[in-house]
Amino acid sequence: AQKITQTQPGMFVQEKEAVTLDCTYDTSDPSYGLFWYKQPSSGEMIFLIYQGSYDQQNATEGRYSLNFQKARKSANLVISASQLGDSAMYFCAMREGLETGNQFYFGTGTSLTVIP
Amino acid sequence: DTGVSQDPRHKITKRGQNVTFRCDPISEHNRLYWYRQTLGQGPEFLTYFQNEAQLEKSRLLSDRFSAERPKGSFSTLEIQRTEQGDSAMYLCASSPPAGIFYEQYFGPGTRLTVT
Repeated sequence: AQKITQTQPGMFVQEKEAVTLDCTYDTSDPSYGLFWYKQPSSGEMIFLIYQGSYDQQNATEGRYSLNFQKARKSANLVISASQLGDSAMYFCAMREGLETGNQFYFGTGTSLTVIP
Repeated sequence: DTGVSQDPRHKITKRGQNVTFRCDPISEHNRLYWYRQTLGQGPEFLTYFQNEAQLEKSRLLSDRFSAERPKGSFSTLEIQRTEQGDSAMYLCASSPPAGIFYEQYFGPGTRLTVT
């Protein structure tokens, strides 16, 4: 089974609107971390936001927020007030066994296009 | 600090040749990762170092691949007898010594093309 599933290959959003990028994960480990990265066309991966499995509140970082639904094993990224510079690939990732594990699992990504 | 650097940025090689890539992590980072990313896919974990010790290696990693981090600073990834299927972007990432949470800082990658 896939550890990380991103079901939206491509998304479009109007500038200044909000958009939600979906991510579901699969793990039996009670201790894990969820990450979102942005990859512009230049290729470099940029860290956006992190959510720990024991965190009670959803993570927020500026215009980025993570809608964490533990029972559903989903960790959707919400980008508010989209900007043209948000056009990029977005990857959801997970690290299991935060005390001992070191391997990160990435999804296949969602390509976001912001329309002026 | 200039971030994670990788060299070369692009490499074209003929099938059967050996190639070596270098990664220089952020100076105070003791954790180092190698990933491979093919078109339309997310990064795929290859191996992990903590200081000079290689602690994890993907089961999917062919024995033609070897990585080192001899002094716990820079790392090299070597691919022997390259195949066309090795064509991909090879990403390096580093993380600081930390507790439960640490983010990875990625380098710009080395794009390998095997002809």
